[in-house]
Amino acid sequence: GDSVTQMEGPVTLSEEAFLTINCTYTATGYPSLFWYVQYPGEGLQLLLKATKADDKGSNKGFEATYRKETTSFHLEKGSVQVSDSAVYFCALTRSGGGADGLTFGKGTHLIIQP
Amino acid sequence: DVKVTQSSRYLVKRTGEKVFLECVQDMDHENMFWYRQDPGLGLRLIYFSYDVKMKEKGDIPEGYSVSREKKERFSLILESASTNQTSMYLCASSYLQDQHFGDGTRLSIL
Repeated sequence: GDSVTQMEGPVTLSEEAFLTINCTYTATGYPSLFWYVQYPGEGLQLLLKATKADDKGSNKGFEATYRKETTSFHLEKGSVQVSDSAVYFCALTRSGGGADGLTFGKGTHLIIQP
Repeated sequence: DVKVTQSSRYLVKRTGEKVFLECVQDMDHENMFWYRQDPGLGLRLIYFSYDVKMKEKGDIPEGYSVSREKKERFSLILESASTNQTSMYLCASSYLQDQHFGDGTRLSIL
């Protein structure tokens, strides 16, 4: 079956540091890939997505590129802020219409220190 | 903006009780989902629905059922609650692939 693997953390960085959170996946065909973010006490919010190979998703300074050859979708940000502290989830779906739900990784807890 | 509302933020129930978790969305979305979130396990799909009165099992449906009588409302039912169902439950809705989540219900079964 489909699966998503990501570093679990916690990942602790200083403010303005460069961030990379690794995500690799196993799925047949051409899944769509997502990053979701969960702030304390809240549900998940869609951060960015990519629907085909070599697509780059970006939002709020975060970026991730869909790499079919390495089955990866690593999340990056050039300069993190304290407000970026949250749990980040990588996810995929093979359903074009979105009806089948998402397969999530276990989440990466990111802590940014001032 | 899409709003997904879960009826309770915190809920405490006893073993053997029948428990209802309610979820309402205001964007006329076709698809609705129930996940549970556990530390070290991430989110796992329990049930989903792509239309009124339609339901499909996800990855961990055992011990749960669902009801979707109206398009905007999707209920998760624990038929006879057990302590291993203590968890955070998240509801989501989507039109296509982008899912919108509620704030979650933290359920404790004593």
